[in-house]
Parts: sequence; C-alpha cells; structure tokens
Amino acid sequence: EPEVTQTPSHQVTQMGQEVILRCVPISNHLYFYWYRQILGQKVEFLVSFYNNEISEKSEIFDDQFSVERPDGSNFTLKIRSTKLEDSAMYFCASSQTSGGLGEQFFGPGTRLTVL
Amino acid sequence: SQQGEEDPQALSIQEGENATMNCSYKTSINNLQWYRQNSGRGLVHLILIRSNEREKHSGRLRVTLDTSKKSSSLLITASRAADTASYFCATFYSSASKIIFGSGTRLSIRP
Repeated sequence: EPEVTQTPSHQVTQMGQEVILRCVPISNHLYFYWYRQILGQKVEFLVSFYNNEISEKSEIFDDQFSVERPDGSNFTLKIRSTKLEDSAMYFCASSQTSGGLGEQFFGPGTRLTVL
Repeated sequence: SQQGEEDPQALSIQEGENATMNCSYKTSINNLQWYRQNSGRGLVHLILIRSNEREKHSGRLRVTLDTSKKSSSLLITASRAADTASYFCATFYSSASKIIFGSGTRLSIRP
C-alpha cells in the first residue's frame, strides 16, 4: 500500500541552524501539506502546496519557513534559523484531491529537537 | 476559533466496552474526519463523513454527524487494547484548503 515517507525520523539541531525536513508524498497525489505538533498539544496546520506554489499558510509559517518540491518526488520544509520553540513533530501529508475533500495521508513524522 | 474540540479529553474503559468520543465545531464545514494517533507516532486516517451524511460505518467504527448541532461522535465498539491511542477530529472548511484538528481524546483500554 502506498504511503508517505519522511526523513529523518529525528533531527537534533542547535538554535540558529537551518534544517530541512524531507517528505516523499504518495506518487499520484497533487496536494501536499505540512503540519506540526508540539509535544502534548494539538496538530497545527502550517502550509498547503499545489501546482508548485503555496495554496495557504498559517500564521505560524513565517519568513523562517519555506517549502519546495525540488523534483517530482520530494517535498521539503526548510526552517532557516531554528528557535527553541520550533521543537516539535513535523508531519507531511498528501492528498489526491483538494484540502479536506478527500483523505489526507500522513507520514510518520520527523521529531525536531532544537537545543 | 474554527477548531473542532473533542470531549472527553481522556477516557478509560474496560476492554470489550464501547467508547464514545464527541467533537464540536463552530462554523459550517464540508466534511469532518477522524484520525488516530498512537503515542509519538503519525496520524492514521479512520473515517471521513461529508456534511450531507449523517452516519457512517467502518468495521467497529461508527461516526455520526449532526450539522444542526455542529457536532460529531465516534463510537468504537467492542474495544481492544490496541485501540489505546489519541483520537482527533479534523474539520475542513470550504473557505480554506486546510483541515483543522481538535485537541483530541486520549483513550485507554484496560485489559
């Protein structure tokens, strides 16, 4: 069964460093998303991406964040200068249809720890 | 806030009993989805119910949607130890291309 994959599973970085979180969505999906979940809190939407551009982003997704689909398979989230409060689980998701019209398939997540 | 909110926040039941979790939301939605998350793991999609549907079944899961009350319920029948997890409702609004997650219900099944 096709699935969304994410690498690395755990990333530890120093405050101020740049990190790139990688995702491989399901191959025939067209819509891609990043969410994050701070420990013990709810899952929060960050950004949605379609047709090589951002469809929507939350207030969390400030200038420190960027997304890219560098090739036909990868979808990345870059945090330019990490802060302590960026420590969280980051989930990538993809769907065949727009937004919540269809099921969003989630990856297993990357746990980001900023020291 | 447009967020879905679940209640109870935590639920502990005996294996074999039924578990009911509720979700309320604030504005009109296109659909509502339920997800499960095992501790420290990713989100698993359970079921999607559209705004024009009232009830949906999938195996031991039964979801209802009452758009007049802006609420949904997830019933897990004949619970098993493996059902221990957090359960989230997630709502999709036509004005946005994102889904909004609630705070979740932590379900514990006692053997």
